Amino acid sequence: ETGVTQTPRHLVMGMTNKKSLKCEQHLGHNAMYWYKQSAKKPLELMFVYNFKEQTENNSVPSRFSPECPNSSHLFLHLHTLQPEDSALYLCASSHGSPLHFGNGTRLTVT
Amino acid sequence: AQSVTQLDSQVPVFEEAPVELRCNYSSSVSVYLFWYVQYPNQGLQLLLKYLSGSTLVKGINGFEAEFNKSQTSFHLRKPSVHISDTAEYFCAVSKEIGNQFYFGTGTSLTVIP
Repeated sequence: ETGVTQTPRHLVMGMTNKKSLKCEQHLGHNAMYWYKQSAKKPLELMFVYNFKEQTENNSVPSRFSPECPNSSHLFLHLHTLQPEDSALYLCASSHGSPLHFGNGTRLTVT
Repeated sequence: AQSVTQLDSQVPVFEEAPVELRCNYSSSVSVYLFWYVQYPNQGLQLLLKYLSGSTLVKGINGFEAEFNKSQTSFHLRKPSVHISDTAEYFCAVSKEIGNQFYFGTGTSLTVIP
């Protein structure tokens, strides 16, 4: 049990589908993050929310849309994705340092 | 800006041998330093962290790291590795204030029986 729960663990979607990734943290943290992890590439920070307000958007394409309804929940809405978006999507939370990660959602875009 | 360099992308080592995974960082401000481990199909798990105080930090699973400010390094060490230590290891830094975290590209540790 990591304290950060991500669902689903695996997702296969077509390029025209719409799906959402969910993240929930039970640690009382105030910041939540989405990272993308692709093979042979460094972790890419996508979005940061601090007290439900988005504080970071690292030039992420608009086909990825984050939502943070409260400081315990974070969503990543996906639509019209490309095959190169296939990756492990990691959610994390923090209250200062360090980051606490979930187990990720393995996304495959066909 | 902060950056993290892990020079070794792959490190093979025999079981029960010692190992050192190297991490160097660059920063114009004081930072916190971390090592994470990632097992297959899992997220990143915190191994150890340096926030302040003693420069030798002990973590889980028998790992330790030493913060060297003059060399801007935070190398990870274990005196005797086990098969179960086979995993990907990531070094990370963050500024003392704020929630910006910067990761290295990772080092794949393979323990050979």
